[in-house]
Amino acid sequence: DQQVKQNSPSLSVQEGRISILNCDYTNSMFDYFLWYKKYPAEGPTFLISISSIKDKNEDGRFTVFLNKSAKHLSLHIVPSQPGDSAVYFCAASALNNDYKLSFGAGTTVTVRA
Amino acid sequence: IAGITQAPTSQILAAGRRMTLRCTQDMRHNAMYWYRQDLGLGLRLIHYSNTAGTTGKGEVPDGYSVSRANTDDFPLTLASAVPSQTSVYFCASRETGGTGNYEQYFGPGTRLTVT
Repeated sequence: DQQVKQNSPSLSVQEGRISILNCDYTNSMFDYFLWYKKYPAEGPTFLISISSIKDKNEDGRFTVFLNKSAKHLSLHIVPSQPGDSAVYFCAASALNNDYKLSFGAGTTVTVRA
Repeated sequence: IAGITQAPTSQILAAGRRMTLRCTQDMRHNAMYWYRQDLGLGLRLIHYSNTAGTTGKGEVPDGYSVSRANTDDFPLTLASAVPSQTSVYFCASRETGGTGNYEQYFGPGTRLTVT
């Protein structure tokens, strides 16, 4: 049973517009959340993270929002660029599990020119 | 600095054969991990090692074994491959010292097809 769920397999967005990726989790022990970006034939690369003591973390065009009561987090990319076209994975970890990562199934983002 | 290297890049393997996927990191990270990526399922943890000399089972360990003789290397062995082990395999590592080190760094992956 997946503890981290990304219910949208794909997202298409116009260049310059905002991309919003969503992620839900079920394990209330998760206390650290990460987003990874993956291009075809490459390994995932770390994008941005957030601790459970925060509700927002921003890094350039990328912002992650955490709603602990709803067990929901989202990744905002603004403005979206063609190079953002990739698969995005949401991941969660917990101190009581040695911070091993549980991943969602991924969302494929396509940025249209 | 290479980071994490994996070998081979891809492999076609007959069912029943033994195969070892290699993973080497040069970052001196304590923890290492093996994942498989399957469409619609994301990345699932197979085995992990928090430090050299120790290993543990992840979410989908059956049919796989690992060893961690030193800090840098973390090979994954399929003793007798089956078609359901067709997947893309990623090795990752993480520095566990200090605080705030939660990110894992991934290798480029090995695409394995079992026929």
